[in-house]
Amino acid sequence: AQSVTQLDSQVPVFEEAPVELRCNYSSSVSVYLFWYVQYPNQGLQLLLKYLSGSTLVKGINGFEAEFNKSQTSFHLRKPSVHISDTAEYFCAVSARSSGDKLTFGTGTRLAVRP
Amino acid sequence: NAGVTQTPKFQVLKTGQSMTLQCAQDMNHEYMSWYRQDPGMGLRLIHYSVGAGITDQGEVPNGYNVSRSTTEDFPLRLLSAAPSQTSVYFCASSYRQGYRYEQYFGPGTRLTVT
Repeated sequence: AQSVTQLDSQVPVFEEAPVELRCNYSSSVSVYLFWYVQYPNQGLQLLLKYLSGSTLVKGINGFEAEFNKSQTSFHLRKPSVHISDTAEYFCAVSARSSGDKLTFGTGTRLAVRP
Repeated sequence: NAGVTQTPKFQVLKTGQSMTLQCAQDMNHEYMSWYRQDPGMGLRLIHYSVGAGITDQGEVPNGYNVSRSTTEDFPLRLLSAAPSQTSVYFCASSYRQGYRYEQYFGPGTRLTVT
């Protein structure tokens, strides 16, 4: 079984500042990794994914994440945030052998202040 | 191309009532799944399907039934609603072939059981 830990439940940051949202996972098998964003009262939107290849993954809205196998981490970063980035962010993992069964972290609320 | 649609958007049930949450996708995705989202717990997998006629249990299947008679539809049935089933329910569909991956979530159904 897999598990995901998002250490920060809330991250306040000022507009145009950089941000990093942390995600660590646990798994005994090879995994795929994902970050999703959820705006208020909406469904989830896929930000980026790591399936294989380069460990630095670029996604939508200027976000990127780096897969670190030795540290079992997949932290999400953005060099300069905007007010519109205020949302809940979820990290998720699936075992490569189990198709698209996702295990989610508990989420990090990013609050961007002017 | 409507993506993933869910109905209803909101529902209030009394304890013991039954109902069906509808989910449909028009992208010909083989894989569909149901998640519930509760505060502070992220999303948890209820049931999933890898194709028409094939379903399996996720992490929290008790109190829910599913069937998949067509590729497009994946309804979730609550047999006898309980207050513990008050949650936001998300349906998702996905497609994976090699390193091509698409996944979409529906807008959600907010269910309250009194």
